[in-house]
Amino acid sequence: SYVLTQPPSVSVAPGQMASITCGGNNIGDKSVHWYQQKSGQAPMLVIYYDKDRPSGIPERFSGSNSGNTAILTITRVETGDEADFYCQVWDRSSDQVVFGGGTKLTVL
Amino acid sequence: QVHLMQSGTEVKKPGASVKVSCKGSGYTFTSYGITWVRQAPGQGLEWMGWINTYNGKTNYAQKFQDRVTVTADTSTSTAYMDLRSLRSDDTAVYYCARRSPGPTSPRDVWGQGTTVIVSS
Repeated sequence: SYVLTQPPSVSVAPGQMASITCGGNNIGDKSVHWYQQKSGQAPMLVIYYDKDRPSGIPERFSGSNSGNTAILTITRVETGDEADFYCQVWDRSSDQVVFGGGTKLTVL
Repeated sequence: QVHLMQSGTEVKKPGASVKVSCKGSGYTFTSYGITWVRQAPGQGLEWMGWINTYNGKTNYAQKFQDRVTVTADTSTSTAYMDLRSLRSDDTAVYYCARRSPGPTSPRDVWGQGTTVIVSS
């Protein structure tokens, strides 16, 4: 089955840039979505189809996807960005949805 | 305003079944599929399955294939997730989420989650 690998944690100071990776075999050939889940809340879509932002999501959030790695980038990080982030793809070969293990973003 | 409202907390004994509901509002229910995702305490997101609310077609995660059934009642714009033979490790928050047509589509609206506790 297809596996998505994320770092368990990323730490960044306020105002700096955070990059969260999502690794998978030829993930660049797939459509990647990113979800933010704040403590005690339901997940929320922040990036879809690799790089598009839903309405209401700040321009500080961006995404890229190439080769074996997709990346969620958050510029000018704020304390309110602190959350768990999950990448997600659909694996055509198994017709299954796959989530990454999640990355906890800590704003120091 | 698009909204998915889920049913309340459930406490079940091992071996029992649970049925969680998810009512859609603010959009045309049959134009979007409904996905079910669960999250065990302190763990990540786990996809369980999906239903095409227009034609009732379903697709389940291999892990849950023999224990889960997802249905939809278009007359009430409500989807249901039925999980059988519950075990203690089924204790989790269960989420429904809306999905546009097409398997590569994102889950753009999520329900608030339903806590299911399995304990003797």
